Amino acid sequence: NAGVTQTPKFQVLKTGQSMTLQCAQDMNHNSMYWYRQDPGMGLRLIYYSASEGTTDKGEVPNGYNVSRLNKREFSLRLESAAPSQTSVYFCASSREGGGYEQYFGPGTRLTVT
Amino acid sequence: QQQVKQSPQSLIVQKGGIPIINCAYENTAFDYFPWYQQFPGKGPALLIAIRPDVSEKKEGRFTISFNKSAKQFSLHIMDSQPGDSATYFCAARVNYGGSQGNLIFGKGTKLSVKP
Repeated sequence: NAGVTQTPKFQVLKTGQSMTLQCAQDMNHNSMYWYRQDPGMGLRLIYYSASEGTTDKGEVPNGYNVSRLNKREFSLRLESAAPSQTSVYFCASSREGGGYEQYFGPGTRLTVT
Repeated sequence: QQQVKQSPQSLIVQKGGIPIINCAYENTAFDYFPWYQQFPGKGPALLIAIRPDVSEKKEGRFTISFNKSAKQFSLHIMDSQPGDSATYFCAARVNYGGSQGNLIFGKGTKLSVKP
């Protein structure tokens, strides 16, 4: 089992460019999450998907969109990147919804210049 | 109300010492309190978790102490080792009702265990 995988590992964008961060899990989990991690700020929830076919906003959704493509895959899209979106992005999954027992991917380090 | 306040920001202990990391919260609707461990360049990993009907939980060298009346919980690492050097995050689950809820994370504590 690979667990939760994320691509790419690193990305540099210019302001205004768009990109999609990919996440996949092979644990047959129902719920998936996107977080961002900034120095001294902990982890903040961007969007989550409690089950296939549903998505909801988290604490910091502005500037992002998500797609739950199927049970395995949950992507995060930046339509017009801004320097404030420079961060490390983590995808996570859990067997059940509600925030319990989340398994995290290795992260994507994004820099917006 | 939705915050989890974690302290200290950083902590240095000698091998064999017992580092203690504290977290405090205000929202009485929080109903699940996990701790995550994160090594540099890796994603966080669930270490141990407690529910508010229990005052203490041990898993190996890691212990959570929970004080419901004070709205505080803490992580103790017994016989700490250099391999425990990592950043530790406390979190609390906010209950939206039914089975819905999500985690609010503290800002993290960077622990260094010196040999």
